[in-house]
Amino acid sequence: DIQLTQTPSFLSSSVGDRVTITCRASQGINSYLAWYQQKPGRAPKLLIYGASTLQSGVPSSFSGSRYGTEFTLTINSLQPEDFATYYCQQGNTFPVTFGGGTKVEIK
Amino acid sequence: QVQLQESGPGLVKPSETLSLTCTVSGGSINNNYWNWIRQPPEKGLQWIGYIYYTGNTNYNPSLRSRVTISVDTSKNQFSLKLASVTAADTAVYFCARGHYGNAEFDFWGQGSLVTVSS
Repeated sequence: DIQLTQTPSFLSSSVGDRVTITCRASQGINSYLAWYQQKPGRAPKLLIYGASTLQSGVPSSFSGSRYGTEFTLTINSLQPEDFATYYCQQGNTFPVTFGGGTKVEIK
Repeated sequence: QVQLQESGPGLVKPSETLSLTCTVSGGSINNNYWNWIRQPPEKGLQWIGYIYYTGNTNYNPSLRSRVTISVDTSKNQFSLKLASVTAADTAVYFCARGHYGNAEFDFWGQGSLVTVSS
């Protein structure tokens, strides 16, 4: 299985901060990398797919990029509603796998 | 707007079979991939498998021997069966629609907590 290593696993930030989360794949996955936001008791919400394409309705404060097998999710100017857990997911090779998650909390 | 809703027992005894159904509304089940994904309490996400509306399936090898996913296009539903469950199968089970060839998941059900306990 392809392993996705997310860093950091926990992040404490303030409203207005710029936040970057990294997801490193254990082997090449082209750009088949998606990012999700999950709030407690809710289903994950698709934010970005194809490494950098913003899902419809997602604020432009979210962006994604790829450098080889390293992917980043950036949130510009963190808003109160952005405090949540974020997961990366690869869809290049079966089985589909997810990263371990990054919990973003209010400082 | 596509909506998905899981239904099924919230409590299953060890060694028995977990059964869940996902009802799709606001859109057709045809021409899409439909997935099951689970999340143990306070843990990460695990993809279980998918079914295409034609009935073609693909399962996570770690669960393949115990999983069956089926589809009923006449009812706009698809279902999950997981046999011989143990406490390790306790999780919130989500159904989700595959996006653009099932590389990611764009619509999700709210999730159904299934507890395995005697």
